[in-house]
Amino acid sequence: EVQLVESGGDLVQPGGSLRLSCATSGFTFSTYWMTWVRQAPGKGLEWVANMKQDGSEKYYMDSVKGRFTISRDNAKNSLYLQMNSLRVDDTAVYYCARHGSAATGGAFEIWGQGTKVTVSS
Amino acid sequence: QSVLTQPPSASGTPGQRITISCSGGNSNIGRNTISWYQQLPGTAPKLLIYINNQRPSGVPDRFSGSKSGTSASLAISGLQSEDEADYYCAAWDDSLKGWLFGGGTQLTVL
Repeated sequence: EVQLVESGGDLVQPGGSLRLSCATSGFTFSTYWMTWVRQAPGKGLEWVANMKQDGSEKYYMDSVKGRFTISRDNAKNSLYLQMNSLRVDDTAVYYCARHGSAATGGAFEIWGQGTKVTVSS
Repeated sequence: QSVLTQPPSASGTPGQRITISCSGGNSNIGRNTISWYQQLPGTAPKLLIYINNQRPSGVPDRFSGSKSGTSASLAISGLQSEDEADYYCAAWDDSLKGWLFGGGTQLTVL
């Protein structure tokens, strides 16, 4: 069974840091693009960052560039999101998602259950 | 803000057919394929449609998608109470070099 399990969400003060993890199983992690998507309380989905299979390409939404870093460890079948200089408006549930192959147009095929990040003083 | 525009709400009665629109631009929907996601209350999103009109296995054929130019639509026929959810469109944007989601449409089954 394909599974994505996020962890690392917590309550953190503005300006603080947090590292999210996404442990995967049930598929060959190293052959898929992976992504982070967030959802602020009561709001819609917002794409945050994604990363190619070998890490050679990474893309970020403008408001997190320079503050967030996406990374992966293919040996551990895991995806990460290092979040620095956190702001109140980063408060959200963060989802890890697997892109589909080119045959799916890269759609977000599989989603984790999410981990909650709250930035507040 | 969302560069992909969806109506914030939609509604229908059981058995009815409804459509949800998603409007974008040349750099996103105009050049790339669109996907749709269903998010039931309190749960993670689920892929509903990919490459404009393809359904993953397990998604009922009551759900269909279409795309024309810089706009796309999701249609749900034979509306059921369990279809009550939020629906999102998404596409890659070549100019922004990033993925965009629509603002989401909350579907109510009356």
